[in-house]
Amino acid sequence: QKEVEQNSGPLSVPEGAIASLNCTYSDRVSQSFFWYRQYSGKSPELIMSIYSNGDKEDGRFTAQLNKASQYVSLLIRDSQPSDSATYLCAVILSFRYALNFGKGTSLLVTP
Amino acid sequence: EAGVAQSPRYKIIEKRQSVAFWCNPISGHATLYWYQQILGQGPKLLIQFQNNGVVDDSQLPKDRFSAERLKGVDSTLKIQPAKLEDSAVYLCASSLLTGRNEQYFGPGTRLTVT
Repeated sequence: QKEVEQNSGPLSVPEGAIASLNCTYSDRVSQSFFWYRQYSGKSPELIMSIYSNGDKEDGRFTAQLNKASQYVSLLIRDSQPSDSATYLCAVILSFRYALNFGKGTSLLVTP
Repeated sequence: EAGVAQSPRYKIIEKRQSVAFWCNPISGHATLYWYQQILGQGPKLLIQFQNNGVVDDSQLPKDRFSAERLKGVDSTLKIQPAKLEDSAVYLCASSLLTGRNEQYFGPGTRLTVT
């Protein structure tokens, strides 16, 4: 079983700050990486995908991928209380396969 | 565009009873997945279909779980007989069969086994 590791948190940041969420994975040949947001009692919602080394920005979200270090992160700028949720990191070996999820990091943005 | 549909949203059964969940994927999505999410954990794949064929069912407890996707669209997941440890949220997801494989989830079915 290939592993995806996340700090379970909770990670607490004040409103307006940058939240940094981290994820490591064990399978060096992994190709695709995703961040899902999951509110309590809801299903996972895809917020970012990244496939190449470097940074990918989408609004207040930036995903960072370093395949050599087997590390992927998600930065949330100008954090809002509505960002409070569990963030799931997911990794896929190739497009033919299903997602392999971490346990998620709980984020709390305090007003 | 309509999202992934699932029903029922909630189900409470006693152990040893049977239960079935239904999923309708996003129109045009060839690949359909069933995941199990236990409280405090990330979703875990149970079975993956491409059209109406099974791609991966290695983590499906086949002595009690079964799934089908007969016409390559809707899918049904069944548990018979249920155990207490089957209490979880059952999530259906779908994706286009492309190099990116971005998967979109339905609302899930919350199962409680008493």
